[in-house]
Amino acid sequence: DTAVSQTPKYLVTQMGNDKSIKCEQNLGHDTMYWYKQDSKKFLKIMFSYNNKELIINETVPNRFSPKSPDKAHLNLHINSLELGDSAVYFCASSQEGAASGPGELFFGEGSRLTVL
Amino acid sequence: GQSLEQPSEVTAVEGAIVQINCTYQTSGFYGLSWYQQHDGGAPTFLSYNALDGLEETGRFSSFLSRSDSYGYLLLQELQMKDSASYFCALNSGNTPLVFGKGTRLSVIA
Repeated sequence: DTAVSQTPKYLVTQMGNDKSIKCEQNLGHDTMYWYKQDSKKFLKIMFSYNNKELIINETVPNRFSPKSPDKAHLNLHINSLELGDSAVYFCASSQEGAASGPGELFFGEGSRLTVL
Repeated sequence: GQSLEQPSEVTAVEGAIVQINCTYQTSGFYGLSWYQQHDGGAPTFLSYNALDGLEETGRFSSFLSRSDSYGYLLLQELQMKDSASYFCALNSGNTPLVFGKGTRLSVIA
């Protein structure tokens, strides 16, 4: 059983389009995240949700809108895609918001987005 | 804010020992984690230090000195499969993990 799964794994699209990435975790964790990894492999937090509520929203353009229908799912919708959005997007989950826990995040396999 | 510094690249010989250093700056501290990421893969958790000292997990060990804001990951008996990127990550409480920029380890024969 995959602990954190995200789809699609690859996404190639044109500038200006809208796309979504879905994420599901079956670990029973309370907190889910979206991280962006750029071409230099820098992992940057985008959003953090705890029990379906937005906790952290880093300086991300409002073209990015996360949605959490329940605590096992966190989807990412991106409007009006730009070239600079090309990256690998990782969904992750943890127990207790990683603030007091052992710092262990469980990552999905990543969704590689290429904007042409 | 928080920041972490780690070397961008390290090369070591198969069978040898390598140490990857990480220094950090933060106003609050809960712990320092280490993650491994192979090319095309997801980051996977290796170890966590909340207190000063050495934590050992098989061939991998991680060390923390809170007074020096410093930690390292020690990999022993290097194998070719250890070639990957290694990230230190800061748990500063109330915020998600903040990752360093990663150290690319190349293990050569």
